[in-house]
Amino acid sequence: KNEVEQSPQNLTAQEGEFITINCSYSVGISALHWLQQHPGGGIVSLFMLSSGKKKHGRLIATINIQEKHSSLHITASHPRDSAVYICAVHSGNQFYFGTGTSLTVIP
Amino acid sequence: DAGVIQSPRHEVTEMGQEVTLRCKPISGHNSLFWYRQTMMRGLELLIYFNNNVPIDDSGMPEDRFSAKMPNASFSTLKIQPSEPRDSAVYFCASSHRNYGYTFGSGTRLTVV
Repeated sequence: KNEVEQSPQNLTAQEGEFITINCSYSVGISALHWLQQHPGGGIVSLFMLSSGKKKHGRLIATINIQEKHSSLHITASHPRDSAVYICAVHSGNQFYFGTGTSLTVIP
Repeated sequence: DAGVIQSPRHEVTEMGQEVTLRCKPISGHNSLFWYRQTMMRGLELLIYFNNNVPIDDSGMPEDRFSAKMPNASFSTLKIQPSEPRDSAVYFCASSHRNYGYTFGSGTRLTVV
């Protein structure tokens, strides 16, 4: 059983569409992270959340601690948003990773 | 700030050889993480340090792997002896308390 489940695994969208990626987890957490990995391989930390909602540009991340669920939203998607998005949770001394959502935004 | 600096970017070595990966975290960050990424297993945390002290190394796959952080500005991950199944991209990341992580560019290791 995976401690972190992401959906969908793959997502293709037209430029401009609103995108949602979901993350559910089964452990108690102190923080949840959203990471972005571009085709070149570099990883960028987008958000670290322990409650509520954070916004950065066109990206919004929310977390519901009671439901053990987080969402990453991308508004007005753009081809440069094409990447793999990874959800990770910090639980005690452990880190658990989702398998990632591969997003392709078509012009 | 140059970010988290990893070296080398690429390493090709023969099975049985010792491999040392290096990481310089961002100045002022008090946590440092070593991750491994493979197609089969995705991202895995190997070990992390808080204030130079190893906190959890349960992700280190075998005794062949060891990591050190002799000071706040430098860490190494060593594999001895290396095996083909160690081939992966190894990422180092650093963070400060409640702030997000900054990842290095990774070291792509190929063991032949």
